[in-house]
Formats: sequence, structure tokens, C-alpha cells
Amino acid sequence: DSGVTQTPKHLITATGQRVTLRCSPRSGDLSVYWYQQSLDQGLQFLIQYYNGEERAKGNILERFSAQQFPDLHSELNLSSLELGDSALYFCASSPGQGYGYTFGSGTRLTVV
Amino acid sequence: AQSVTQLGSHVSVSEGALVLLRCNYSSSVPPYLFWYVQYPNQGLQLLLKYTSAATLVKGINGFEAEFKKSETSFHLTKPSAHMSDAAEYFCAVSGPGGYNKLIFGAGTRLAVHP
Repeated sequence: DSGVTQTPKHLITATGQRVTLRCSPRSGDLSVYWYQQSLDQGLQFLIQYYNGEERAKGNILERFSAQQFPDLHSELNLSSLELGDSALYFCASSPGQGYGYTFGSGTRLTVV
Repeated sequence: AQSVTQLGSHVSVSEGALVLLRCNYSSSVPPYLFWYVQYPNQGLQLLLKYTSAATLVKGINGFEAEFKKSETSFHLTKPSAHMSDAAEYFCAVSGPGGYNKLIFGAGTRLAVHP
């Protein structure tokens, strides 16, 4: 157990639908990062939050959004889902610069 | 902009042989460098990190990496491969500023055969 909890582990949904992925960071970590991992794109940085505020955005589609709540857990919302959104979505947390990330075990999203 | 290039998407070694996974980085500022390992159906686990202290960094499971600024490299090595080392390995870079965002390489899949 890495200390970063992601739910659900697996999600199967239809095109056009909306889903919410949840992440609880390791205790004490204020930063949360979301990554998408797919066979053709590799690990792509989506977005970062620090203590409730958005800090950096990567290759995140407009159909995707995220937030970090006062208790520091984060949610990634994916809407108008397309087949190409099928991927592993990872959440990671970090206490600060130079420490590296602790990753959760991921949510495998399958859009059918 | 920072970037990472991992040479060789697949590397195959015999059990007991040297493991060498190559990583070259591009960064306009002194970087922080990391190696992560991913086993099937699992998240990424930190193997080791370089944060401007010693240039030779030792990590978990017998792995180590050497930061060479002149070559902009951070290659990962292990003297003797075990079957359990078979996994995908990712090199990553971040730097001062950028809010600690990690940029990952494309990954190298290591196969270990008897």
C-alpha cells in the first residue's frame, strides 16, 4: 500500500457518459497530480493541485476537469467520454520539490 | 522545456547479467531526476532519485544510477538481473519551478530470461 488511494479500480462505461475518479493523497502531502497512461501516448501529465489550488495544467482535454477539496482528496471528472479516453488514470501525491511522487494503483477506465 | 529520452523501448537480458537502461534528459536548469518501476497492473514505484547531492545514487532492489551532467544522462544499472526485475522502467525529470511537475520518458520494458 503506497498510501495513495484511488477509487474505483476499474470502470466500464459507455460513450457520451460522465465519470468521476477519486484520489486520496498520502497523509501530509499537499500536492496531487493526475496522469493518463495509454499505450500510444505513454504517461501524460493532466493537472496538478496544491492545497486546493490548481497549480499546473498539462495535456488535459476541455471535457476533463478536476478539483481538490479542503480535506485534500481530489476528483477527476471526465465527461462526454469517447473510446479514445480508455486508459489508466493515475493519481500521485508529493510533499514538495525533489521528493518524487507516490503513485496510487490507478483506475482503469474502459469506454465502450 | 524539460524532456526525457529513454533509448530502447525493450531490453532483454539473461538472469545474472548486467542491466543497463538508458536515459538522457534535457533541462535548462539543474534537474531533479527519478527512476520509477511499474509492474503489471500496478502503479509506479520510486526506485531512486537524484537531487543534486551525490552523483551516484543507490536505490531499492540493488539498482543504482549515475548523473553525468556532461552527457546529460542518468542511466540505470543493476549488476545482476533477477527474474523479478522484469517490469517497465520510467525515467523522469523535474526542475526548480514548474511546481514539481514530473516529465516522464516513454518507458523501457525489461525482460529477464533464464
